Amino acid sequence: EVMMVESGGGLVQPGGSLRLSCAASGFRFISYWMSWVRQAPGKGLEWLADIKQDGSEKFYVDSVRGRFTISRDNAKNSLYLQMNNLGVEDAAVYYCARLSGGQLGEKDYYFDYWGQGALVTVSS
Amino acid sequence: SYELTQPPSVSVSPGQTATISCSGHKLGDTYFSWYQQRPGQSPVLVIYQNDKRPSQIFERFSGSNSGNTATLTISGTQAVDEAHYYCQAWDSRTWVFGGGTKLTVL
Repeated sequence: EVMMVESGGGLVQPGGSLRLSCAASGFRFISYWMSWVRQAPGKGLEWLADIKQDGSEKFYVDSVRGRFTISRDNAKNSLYLQMNNLGVEDAAVYYCARLSGGQLGEKDYYFDYWGQGALVTVSS
Repeated sequence: SYELTQPPSVSVSPGQTATISCSGHKLGDTYFSWYQQRPGQSPVLVIYQNDKRPSQIFERFSGSNSGNTATLTISGTQAVDEAHYYCQAWDSRTWVFGGGTKLTVL
């Protein structure tokens, strides 16, 4: 069974940092692009970043580029998101998600499995 | 930036067909996915690559992409289908989600 479990969420002050982890199991982790997606309270989904199988390529949405860093440890089947200089607008549930597809290029990828989410609260 | 537009809400009676639209430019050049999110739960993939259904998803879910509009169709809607639904597509190395549609089964 494919499972992804996020951890590391919590309360942080504006300007602070937090590191999220995602422990994956039930599939060959090294074979997949992995992503982080967030959802602010009562709002929709927002893709944040993704990372290639070997970690050699990383992509970010403009709103987090330069503040957030995605990484992975294939030996530990784990995905990470280092978040720096957090603002109140970063308060959200953060999901790790597996990317599948790609047979026709990048445009046919989709998020086929999601973790349960980690809640990040930014407040003084 | 690329935007996908969904109606905020759709209502349907049990047993009827629900259709949720997702519009944007250049839709014909990309592929769509749809996700179901029940309150307090993580999103679940229900349609990928426009019209494919994961094996664990019920056959009443179907998808299409025509011109500038992608559509999620739920035939014989059941109360358990009440949820938010999000469309998603790729553009210029960015994964974009629609704003979401709340499906109410009355």
